[in-house]
Amino acid sequence: QSVLTQPPSASGTPGQRVTISCSGSSANIGSNTVNWYQQLPGTAPKLLIYSNNLRPSGVPDRFSGSKSGTSASLAISGLQSDDEADYYCAAWDNSLNGPVFGGGTKLTVL
Amino acid sequence: EVQLVETGGGLVKPGGSLRLSCAASGFSFSDAWMSWVRQAPGKGLEWVGRIKSKTDGGTTDYAAPVKGRFSISRDDSKNTLYLQMNSLKTEDTAIYYCAARGSFDYWGRGTLVTVSS
Repeated sequence: QSVLTQPPSASGTPGQRVTISCSGSSANIGSNTVNWYQQLPGTAPKLLIYSNNLRPSGVPDRFSGSKSGTSASLAISGLQSDDEADYYCAAWDNSLNGPVFGGGTKLTVL
Repeated sequence: EVQLVETGGGLVKPGGSLRLSCAASGFSFSDAWMSWVRQAPGKGLEWVGRIKSKTDGGTTDYAAPVKGRFSISRDDSKNTLYLQMNSLKTEDTAIYYCAARGSFDYWGRGTLVTVSS
């Protein structure tokens, strides 16, 4: 059971906008920033969003992040087939004294 | 170009030991906080532990499941991170990734550790 809660799956058609939620508590999301990672099939994770809503160089602006209270969201607009991947949220947890991950959301592009 | 290359994975019996290495290039390794993150087959990501830069004290932190069994160290002269794993359990079976910087900005491709009799 992951400390951060994500839906196990999400889907959308090409061009559509999808959102993935990440729910935590005051010990993690409520008091620390959230990062998002993309893991394409058979590859290592890649940093997608950091500090709630910032994109590393090279990440398209189709990807955006937001945070409110103890929850965060990743939005993907203009969905493409290449976006099929597992997406993970993460945040530092003050009680566990370490970063915690969500269980991951498998995104399918129909 | 940033590169992180993990080596040292393999098959080990329960109770055994293994040492993983992560060779880094393309960024200032000595200034980076480095972490190990693992992923059991078909499962999600799990933080294993981290080591701060020597400038920030060089201290280590570990996740509860591995505390007392795993040890992280670094050799800044070789730009290399290490994970010493002792008293291995079947539940330690996973791909082990090294990740650089506080937001896990960069990841290696991982090395598979299988603990089985």
